[in-house]
Amino acid sequence: DGGITQSPKYLFRKEGQNVTLSCEQNLNHDAMYWYRQDPGQGLRLIYYSQIVNDFQKGDIAEGYSVSREKKESFPLTVTSAQKNPTAFYLCASSISIASNEQFFGPGTRLTVL
Amino acid sequence: GENVEQHPSTLSVQEGDSAVIKCTYSDSASNYFPWYKQELGKRPQLIIDIRSNVGEKKDQRIAVTLNKTAKHFSLHITETQPEDSAVYFCAASGPGGGNKLTFGTGTQLKVEL
Repeated sequence: DGGITQSPKYLFRKEGQNVTLSCEQNLNHDAMYWYRQDPGQGLRLIYYSQIVNDFQKGDIAEGYSVSREKKESFPLTVTSAQKNPTAFYLCASSISIASNEQFFGPGTRLTVL
Repeated sequence: GENVEQHPSTLSVQEGDSAVIKCTYSDSASNYFPWYKQELGKRPQLIIDIRSNVGEKKDQRIAVTLNKTAKHFSLHITETQPEDSAVYFCAASGPGGGNKLTFGTGTQLKVEL
């Protein structure tokens, strides 16, 4: 998990602004994931990507968008359409979606002011 | 889709005692069950996992048991130490859910001196 990084660690956003969270991995993993973590609710899947140039919605995709132009990178944009964006965002990767074991990045804490 | 329930939400034990956390899942096709430990403000880290062809797995003070018939699995920590204090998440995945992980809501374990 040391090979997956997220930036920034803390992010503040004004209401109505879009913001992009970075996720990079050098593990040569095909699959990447974005989760949102709220107190008492565990980790909920936002989007995932099985391979470059492909991604699918998770359970709570509304108000978010992603891209997967490079194998190493899977940025997440939190748009103004996301009604309650304040949360801890975790990126993860796995060798493939079938390999199951996921490695997590250190997370980005987003606060909407 | 898969639904994972986790109990208890909080657990306090005395140092040296055992701790047990239980999870149930809904999809009988699920075949992979990991447990993650998350310390405050840090990334979740895999501590142990089990696949559906095994009933029990141990790693030093940690063990996981799986009952496929009842669709539940448990984490057992023996001889607890203060550094075991953290939030623990169970998860389940399988072909029925596209091999994506579905997480429980977490258990805050506190080991008291």
